[in-house]
Amino acid sequence: GAVVSQHPSWVICKSGTSVKIECRSLDFQATTMFWYRQFPKQSLMLMATSNEGSKATYEQGVEKDKFLINHASLTLSTLTVTSAHPEDSSFYICSATPGRNQNIQYFGAGTRLSVL
Amino acid sequence: EDQVTQSPEALRLQEGESSSLNCSYTVSGLRGLFWYRQDPGKGPEFLFTLYSAGEEKEKERLKATLTKKESFLHITAPKPEDSATYLCAVQANQAGTALIFGKGTTLSVSS
Repeated sequence: GAVVSQHPSWVICKSGTSVKIECRSLDFQATTMFWYRQFPKQSLMLMATSNEGSKATYEQGVEKDKFLINHASLTLSTLTVTSAHPEDSSFYICSATPGRNQNIQYFGAGTRLSVL
Repeated sequence: EDQVTQSPEALRLQEGESSSLNCSYTVSGLRGLFWYRQDPGKGPEFLFTLYSAGEEKEKERLKATLTKKESFLHITAPKPEDSATYLCAVQANQAGTALIFGKGTTLSVSS
């Protein structure tokens, strides 16, 4: 149980275009989903927290107009990187927390974004 | 400021050579400490959650322990398939459910 699917696993895009990443909880309802960013040999950095049906809460320094998060259902959250630039190239990972146990976060496999 | 420091940054072991990974933390109020395993290019895989000093949890060759200032991940008789990056994260009371991660320890086990 507690499987989180993230799609796509790898995406290459041109500078200035937008990219959408999906995060789905496959076998549980996720009251809360999180989006992280990870640079090589660095720790995971929380970008934003999203609760179903409400606006996401962004961490300090994360541009909410650039990283659009939608959590329209209890099993799906999306992250859209708008007008992507090479400095946005990174590894993006989502996680989800089942309502029955708020402490444990289950992670997706991550999305490698490369902006040319 | 809440902070998590893991050591060593990298660890090379021979198969069967037991060792420990350290996770030191400073947090305003600990709600939980988490250990994850991360393989290259993959998302973290949940291993353990510890909530109070003195608590221990085991899973196969891994055992996690917790004190008021640090946690250890003990690896007994490791195998090559244990090679991965091990991440420690804390959840502070005031931060809600957000996790604060350390940079991880990359473990390499050779046969």
